[in-house]
Amino acid sequence: DIQMTQSPSSLSASVGDRVTISCRASQNINSYLNWYQQKPGKAPKLLIYAASSLQSGVPSTFSGSGSGTDFTLTISSLQREDFATYFCQQSYIIPLTFGGGTKVEIK
Amino acid sequence: EVQLVESGGGLVQPGGSLRLSCEASGFTFSTYSINWVRQAPGKGLEWVAHISGTSRKIYYADSVKGRFTISRDNAKNSLSLQMNSLTADDTAVYYCARDREEGYLTPDYWGQGTLVTVSS
Repeated sequence: DIQMTQSPSSLSASVGDRVTISCRASQNINSYLNWYQQKPGKAPKLLIYAASSLQSGVPSTFSGSGSGTDFTLTISSLQREDFATYFCQQSYIIPLTFGGGTKVEIK
Repeated sequence: EVQLVESGGGLVQPGGSLRLSCEASGFTFSTYSINWVRQAPGKGLEWVAHISGTSRKIYYADSVKGRFTISRDNAKNSLSLQMNSLTADDTAVYYCARDREEGYLTPDYWGQGTLVTVSS
């Protein structure tokens, strides 16, 4: 199985900050990488698919980059509604696997 | 509007069985592959099972293989997950999640989830 490792596991930031979250795959997954946002008690929401494509309806403050084994989710200007947990997921092969999550908290 | 609504969760004893359902609307159900993904309390996301639109391709996580069965009824726009021989490790919120495209392994729409608690 492909292991997905996210870093950091948590971070504190202020509204307006630029935030980056990293995700590393245990093997080459090309651009088969998705990012999700999850708020407490809610289902995950797809933000970015295929490493860098913005899902419809997602603000352009979110962007994704990377290929191969190293990927990044960037929030260019953190908004109050962005405080949540973020997960990466590889869509290269079954079993689908997720990163452990990064909790973005208010500083 | 795409909607997925899970049901069937609840409290079950270890070794017991439960059947989850997922009712879909707002899209052509038969042309999308669907996944079950679970999340134990306070933990991360774990993929459980995948079924193609025609049911020809079915896959399971090793942790549930031989105990869980995924199926779908395209005439009724519904998906099921039959869970047998349940253990405490199966305690989680279970989500059904549609793939963005058939076989694309990218869940884009998720249901609200249904909680399964395995405890005596």
